[in-house]
Amino acid sequence: DAGVIQSPRHEVTEMGQEVTLRCKPISGHDYLFWYRQTMMRGLELLIYFNNNVPIDDSGMPEDRFSAKMPNASFSTLKIQPSEPRDSAVYFCASSARTGGITGELFFGEGSRLTVL
Amino acid sequence: AQRVTQPEKLLSVFKGAPVELKCNYSYSGSPELFWYVQYSRQRLQLLLRHISRESIKGFTADLNKGETSFHLKKPFAQEEDSAMYYCALTRGSTLGRLYFGRGTQLTVWP
Repeated sequence: DAGVIQSPRHEVTEMGQEVTLRCKPISGHDYLFWYRQTMMRGLELLIYFNNNVPIDDSGMPEDRFSAKMPNASFSTLKIQPSEPRDSAVYFCASSARTGGITGELFFGEGSRLTVL
Repeated sequence: AQRVTQPEKLLSVFKGAPVELKCNYSYSGSPELFWYVQYSRQRLQLLLRHISRESIKGFTADLNKGETSFHLKKPFAQEEDSAMYYCALTRGSTLGRLYFGRGTQLTVWP
């Protein structure tokens, strides 16, 4: 397995534009997480899904952010309209609960977003 | 509410010196604690978890419930240990939803 795959790796856009980040979790994992990493705030959980259903979206900054998981192998994080303060590295991670032990998170390489 | 605090943003030691990365948490229940590491240009990855009581790459971490701490220690640091280290907590009921500290950037000088 190639691990969690994210695209694009880098995105530079102008304020006001729509940004879509994509994630393919590890096959068989039933949890998917979107995190945002900034120097000021570190790693923040935005939203997570279990079996494609959003469980907790309390970390989504505002209505400009939305996330979907139409099937077990694909998720998107959309920002519309984007603002300079959205500039960050966005990580997708997946996990599976195994044998009653809390699952390890497997992270993608991240999508570095710059909003000018 | 749960919170993970890593008081040091930056930590520098010389090769061969002991290193301790501090992590304190606040949670009223029984948490599970983890250390994740991000080496330069690599993915964030699990280093160790307290329930396994394991030593990985010479690192150990002991959960001290009295002091609500989970400090990461290594007796002799190596240059390849230079990385960003994140302490993380999960509540057993939330199945992998991790709360991360802000991270400590460790630099090991030759």
